[in-house]
Amino acid sequence: GEDVEQSLFLSVREGDSSVINCTYTDSSSTYLYWYKQEPGAGLQLLTYIFSNMDMKQDQRLTVLLNKKDKHLSLRIADTQTGDSAIYFCAVPYSSASKIIFGSGTRLSIRP
Amino acid sequence: NAGVMQNPRHLVRRRGQEARLRCSPMKGHSHVYWYRQLPEEGLKFMVYLQKENIIDESGMPKERFSAEFPKEGPSILRIQQVVRGDSAAYFCASSPRDPGAGTGELFFGEGSRLTVL
Repeated sequence: GEDVEQSLFLSVREGDSSVINCTYTDSSSTYLYWYKQEPGAGLQLLTYIFSNMDMKQDQRLTVLLNKKDKHLSLRIADTQTGDSAIYFCAVPYSSASKIIFGSGTRLSIRP
Repeated sequence: NAGVMQNPRHLVRRRGQEARLRCSPMKGHSHVYWYRQLPEEGLKFMVYLQKENIIDESGMPKERFSAEFPKEGPSILRIQQVVRGDSAAYFCASSPRDPGAGTGELFFGEGSRLTVL
């Protein structure tokens, strides 16, 4: 079946790295995504990785993909208060006719 | 260049009434997705539509829920005879191309928050 799982909460100290993990049961061979949702707003694409890649780095963001274990992670270096949000892992299913989202990880930053 | 527009942003209905949620995709986008977000839960896929066609409605409840995306005008998500469990945020997203083409990025609206009393 289609299932994308994430832990619900993560708390980190300002300046530390945040690592948000995601596991999925299956996906079509396209892109996998991380979306960010700020309070009261819709989701915005944060970054993505093509399924034939292991890693993608984009400034403070690093995405790691382990296809064998069906595991995706997002690392945010030097976490800032502006990074407080809910982060969703998203995976295409069924020949990418729909994109399944995880439950979202709420990232909070401690001073 | 307006983004995805959803209205109303907030809707209050009594049990048994109907709720209609509207979504205007971004200009040039002919693919629309509806998702439901329950309090403290993730986004649940409901339906994927292209102009005048329902492509995948595997996430739609069997009864009371329907969606359309007519040739002209916005996409509509309709909930008949609402119950308290329908209270949620309903998000619409649009895309300019077929799923699996390009990066497949979805552009989200700010959501419609339905409260059923």
